[in-house]
Amino acid sequence: QQQVKQSPQSLIVQKGGIPIINCAYENTAFDYFPWYQQFPGKGPALLIAIRPDVSEKKEGRFTISFNKSAKQFSLHIMDSQPGDSATYFCAASTGGSNYKLTFGKGTLLTVNP
Amino acid sequence: DGGITQSPKYLFRKEGQNVTLSCEQNLNHDAMYWYRQDPGQGLRLIYYSQIVNDFQKGDIAEGYSVSREKKESFPLTVTSAQKNPTAFYLCASSAWGTGNTIYFGEGSWLTVV
Repeated sequence: QQQVKQSPQSLIVQKGGIPIINCAYENTAFDYFPWYQQFPGKGPALLIAIRPDVSEKKEGRFTISFNKSAKQFSLHIMDSQPGDSATYFCAASTGGSNYKLTFGKGTLLTVNP
Repeated sequence: DGGITQSPKYLFRKEGQNVTLSCEQNLNHDAMYWYRQDPGQGLRLIYYSQIVNDFQKGDIAEGYSVSREKKESFPLTVTSAQKNPTAFYLCASSAWGTGNTIYFGEGSWLTVV
């Protein structure tokens, strides 16, 4: 049973475009929603995270939008660059506990020059 | 520099052999984790440890074993009982508590032939 559904599986955009990656969840007990960025052959790194008491959070060119009623959250990358090409994972947990993180299956983003 | 060191980066083993993956961290983190990553899949939790000499099973612990004799070290043994051991293994650590960032190592590729 997949608790966090991530889409699309892959995404190709041109430089300067705004890729959007979506995640949906069913467990209403989830209260911490991080996004991780992973480059080939490397471990994931925390990009940005949000809690359900806010609807949007921005850090640089990365924005998380959160829709609690729809149980969905998404990552937007403004002015995307070729260096943003990576795999992005959404995740969710209850009680903010890291050991209860459930990951989506990932989105492979390619930003063409 | 502070961080998480995993070794070896690449490992080949014959079917039926046990193999141990090393994970060391110098971040003074209490919690450590092992995840498995398969192509096109998200990260799945194998084991985690909150303190020395204590560890808990994650979602896919069958066929794996761990130890936590030192705060800095959390080795993972992939036993012959693991039916599909070929994968990318990620070690991680965090301060224990709500919403603390998980830091990942660079991973170990295990191929069983």
